[in-house]
Amino acid sequence: NAGVTQTPKFQVLKTGQSMTLQCAQDMNHEYMSWYRQDPGMGLRLIHYSVGAGITDQGEVPNGYNVSRSTTEDFPLRLLSAAPSQTSVYFCASSYSGKTGLSYEQYFGPGTRLTVT
Amino acid sequence: KNEVEQSPQNLTAQEGEFITINCSYSVGISALHWLQQHPGGGIVSLFMLSSGKKKHGRLIATINIQEKHSSLHITASHPRDSAVYICASHTGNQFYFGTGTSLTVIP
Repeated sequence: NAGVTQTPKFQVLKTGQSMTLQCAQDMNHEYMSWYRQDPGMGLRLIHYSVGAGITDQGEVPNGYNVSRSTTEDFPLRLLSAAPSQTSVYFCASSYSGKTGLSYEQYFGPGTRLTVT
Repeated sequence: KNEVEQSPQNLTAQEGEFITINCSYSVGISALHWLQQHPGGGIVSLFMLSSGKKKHGRLIATINIQEKHSSLHITASHPRDSAVYICASHTGNQFYFGTGTSLTVIP
């Protein structure tokens, strides 16, 4: 199993450009999520999905869109990049279990994004 | 929002020392996770616990639900344990993370 994969590893954008960060998992996990990690602030949840066709907002959703058309893929879209979106982005996935989210999360390797 | 606080922020230890990292959270949770972030940036899950204690090798995690507090212990620390340790609370489908404890173990 490849686990959770993310592309690209690094990206530089100009303010106002759009792009999609890709995330895929091959473990048949129901739950997938996107986080951003900023110095001194810890990881923060952007969006999450509990299954194909279902997405919801996390703590910091503004400026980001997601969709979940398949169990495997959960792309994160930046519609109009801003310098405040400079960060390291992590995708993660997990089984949900019958009683809710009750399993460990598997993280992708991260994408380092710089917006100038 | 569940406020998650970790202490200490930074920790330096001599090889072989017993290490404790603390985590407190503000509201009831479904479970508490401990994660390890390697110097290269990768994040792995160490423990997920909702009560009691779990052990894996030299790592032990405990949680006190009534006091809203968890600890991560490392016995016989080794330089390869040098990393950032992060605790995270989850309630329903939402996760909240502490800012991490940066551990350096000196040979």
